[in-house]
Formats: sequence, C-alpha cells, structure tokens
Amino acid sequence: AQKVTQAQTEISVVEKEDVTLDCVYETRDTTYYLFWYKQPPSGELVFLIRRNSFDEQNEISGRYSWNFQKSTSSFNFTITASQVVDSAVYFCALSEVGFYNQGGKLIFGQGTELSVKP
Amino acid sequence: DGGITQSPKYLFRKEGQNVTLSCEQNLNHDAMYWYRQDPGQGLRLIYYSQIVNDFQKGDIAEGYSVSREKKESFPLTVTSAQKNPTAFYLCASSMVAGEDYNSPLHFGNGTRLTVT
Repeated sequence: AQKVTQAQTEISVVEKEDVTLDCVYETRDTTYYLFWYKQPPSGELVFLIRRNSFDEQNEISGRYSWNFQKSTSSFNFTITASQVVDSAVYFCALSEVGFYNQGGKLIFGQGTELSVKP
Repeated sequence: DGGITQSPKYLFRKEGQNVTLSCEQNLNHDAMYWYRQDPGQGLRLIYYSQIVNDFQKGDIAEGYSVSREKKESFPLTVTSAQKNPTAFYLCASSMVAGEDYNSPLHFGNGTRLTVT
C-alpha cells in the first residue's frame, strides 16, 4: 500500500538556522512522483517541488533543497538560513502513475509544522 | 489572475443539515479534487473529477456528494450522513494533458466547516 510518513509533527528553530524536514514513503510501483507543499496560515497549499522516481538528482532552489534517495525511500527537504516567513505546515505527498482514472491522486503525509522564531 | 475560489471561508451548520461548499477555477484545468484536512492529519481525498460530467470516489467519499456540470465548477455537498463533518475542506485542480497525469495540484484557500 502507498504511505507517506512525516515523523516530525512540529519543529521549532530560531531564524537563520538550517532545518531538515523528513519524508519517508512506501510504494510498490517503480514509477511514481513525489511532491512537497507548503501550507501557510492562510490555508491554501502552495506547490514547492515535484520529483519523479527516475530522477534522483538533488535539487536546490534558493534557500530550499531536496534530497531524494530511493535506497532509503526518502525525500527530505532542507531550508537553509530559515526565516520567519518559512513558518508553515509542510506536506510531503506521493502519486503513483497509473491508469487514466488514477491520475493526480496524491497520498499526503501528516505534515510537519515548522515554527521559525525571530 | 487565474486561481481557485472557495466560498465561503467559514461555514456553520446545525447537525442534520446538508451543506454545499463552492469551488470555482479559472485555470482551464480539466481535473478537480476535494480534500479534507483534520488537525494533525494530512489531506484525504474525498472525490475527484477528470472531465465534465464524470467523477470518482476518493478514499473517504461516504457522506459526501459532488457534481461536475461545468469545467469551472466542482461543488461538494456534505450530507447529514457524514458522521464527522467538522473539518477544513480544500478544493484543488490540475491539468490532465497528455501523459502528465501527475501535474501539480493548485489549491484554493479552503472552507472551514463547523457542524454543531
């Protein structure tokens, strides 16, 4: 069965600290997609990144970086030099590539609430 | 600006009443979704629709109903049969273009439903 686990329920850091949010997934498929979303206090989820299962290259976007390791089924997210505006709930999600009527279904982790204090 | 509009932001209902949550998108996306979020939990899929006049049950469809009469609109009705309706409801949409059935979801701001 598909499953996404974010073991860290809450993380609190002081501004400028680096922080890593963990994500571990389970799937029987060899082809799948992984996502990270940010949910600020306003409520909407903001897309951060999508990674397919064949691309294990790490990705960096400004202060954000992602480490995808198929060997450990992990897709961790690091924020470098955190800022107060990074405070949000972050969700990791998994989508399997299946038949047409399965497309776009995401399995979400429980979310990690990040609090960055000034 | 293109986006997804959910209304209202807050909704209060008495137990036993049906209530309909609105979701409109002007992104020209084919697919639309309804997710439910409970405190400390991830999002769970209620219903989704890939094309007009067609929709599929998600993981927790019991007690909910939807319609997709127009591409832009995907209203969700929370019926009195839903045992724990109080939650945060998020609507989303995505493109279904070619083989890219896993294009990122775009979310609305959500509706917080409280049933007493």
